[in-house]
Amino acid sequence: QKEVEQNSGPLSVPEGAIASLNCTYSDRGSQSFFWYRQYSGKSPELIMFIYSNGDKEDGRFTAQLNKASQYVSLLIRDSQPSDSATYLCAVNLNSGGSNYKLTFGKGTLLTVNP
Amino acid sequence: GAGVSQSPRYKVAKRGQDVALRCDPISGHVSLFWYQQALGQGPEFLTYFQNEAQLDKSGLPSDRFFAERPEGSVSTLKIQRTQQEDSAVYLCASSLGVADYSYNSPLHFGNGTRLTVT
Repeated sequence: QKEVEQNSGPLSVPEGAIASLNCTYSDRGSQSFFWYRQYSGKSPELIMFIYSNGDKEDGRFTAQLNKASQYVSLLIRDSQPSDSATYLCAVNLNSGGSNYKLTFGKGTLLTVNP
Repeated sequence: GAGVSQSPRYKVAKRGQDVALRCDPISGHVSLFWYQQALGQGPEFLTYFQNEAQLDKSGLPSDRFFAERPEGSVSTLKIQRTQQEDSAVYLCASSLGVADYSYNSPLHFGNGTRLTVT
């Protein structure tokens, strides 16, 4: 089992819909969770982070964390074609004292259709 | 410069050649990572530096891979005797802090070096 798992997609949604992206992680002691967006041929950029159980909203983005289920998700409201990208879940795993290490999932490709 | 700079942008190597990939992090950034990203995959951790100290090289695939950051700024990833499976994008990322990659000290990625081994 990989440490951070995501459905690779592609996930296709119509413009204006809600896109829901999911991620599970293996290390129950993990403390911090990040969502990065990566456009094709570009480098990843941070869009959201979350540390506590529950929801965190920033504009059209909402991150949700459930540590008991080892599950983190990203909701994108009012999806736009410009949101079409690969979304990478990253976890600051807390195993062996390596709290500096950010481990990424393989990413979910999102396509928003006009 | 304003961001993390990597060079070369593209590198084509014949199998068996040695290559050196350079990363110029943002000035003053303590943490520096190298990641390998194969096509259609997420970035895979290779190695981590805190200033000039290489604290973790557990992700380096073999002893053909070597990384250094001798003065705590510029870093070089060297791959000896390249193989076809080394073909990937190599991403360098730096951060002002350690372990806090929130908006306070986010991880800044360079544009990567795309290595193709023929």
